[in-house]
Amino acid sequence: EPEVTQTPSHQVTQMGQEVILRCVPISNHLYFYWYRQILGQKVEFLVSFYNNEISEKSEIFDDQFSVERPDGSNFTLKIRSTKLEDSAMYFCASEQGSNDEQFFGPGTRLTVL
Amino acid sequence: QKEVEQNSGPLSVPEGAIASLNCTYSDRGSQSFFWYRQYSGKSPELIMSIYSNGDKEDGRFTAQLNKASQYVSLLIRDSQPSDSATYLCAVFHQAGTALIFGKGTTLSVSS
Repeated sequence: EPEVTQTPSHQVTQMGQEVILRCVPISNHLYFYWYRQILGQKVEFLVSFYNNEISEKSEIFDDQFSVERPDGSNFTLKIRSTKLEDSAMYFCASEQGSNDEQFFGPGTRLTVL
Repeated sequence: QKEVEQNSGPLSVPEGAIASLNCTYSDRGSQSFFWYRQYSGKSPELIMSIYSNGDKEDGRFTAQLNKASQYVSLLIRDSQPSDSATYLCAVFHQAGTALIFGKGTTLSVSS
């Protein structure tokens, strides 16, 4: 069964460093999303992406964040200058668009020291 | 502010019993409703989607939606220890928009 994949599974970085989190959505899906979940808290929406542009973004998604679909398969989230409070699980999700069901990848645990 | 509310639990049920999980949402414009299961340290796994008022059954799971009351529920019949997890209610308007999650209800099924 097709699934969303994410790399790396765990990323450790120093505060102020740039990180890029990678996702490969399900191949025939058209909508792509990033969410994050701080330990013990709820899943929070960051950004949605459709037709090579951002559809919607949350207040969390400030100028330090960017997304890109550099080729036909990858979808990336870049954090330019990481802060301690960026430590969280980051989930990529994709959706075909016809039935609105979003499928999540396994996540990347980001630890900022 | 769009909100999705769930009792955090834990909800404890014996093996074989029915577990009932509830969720309310604030945005009357919400169109699509989902239940996800999340095991500790793992990602949300889609269990059910429901779009129309009434019940939708899939195996041991039944989702119920009442848009007038802004209420969604999930029933798990014949609960198994493997059902022990956090159940997340999520709602949104349409494709390409934010999926808003509740904090989740932790279910514990004892054998």
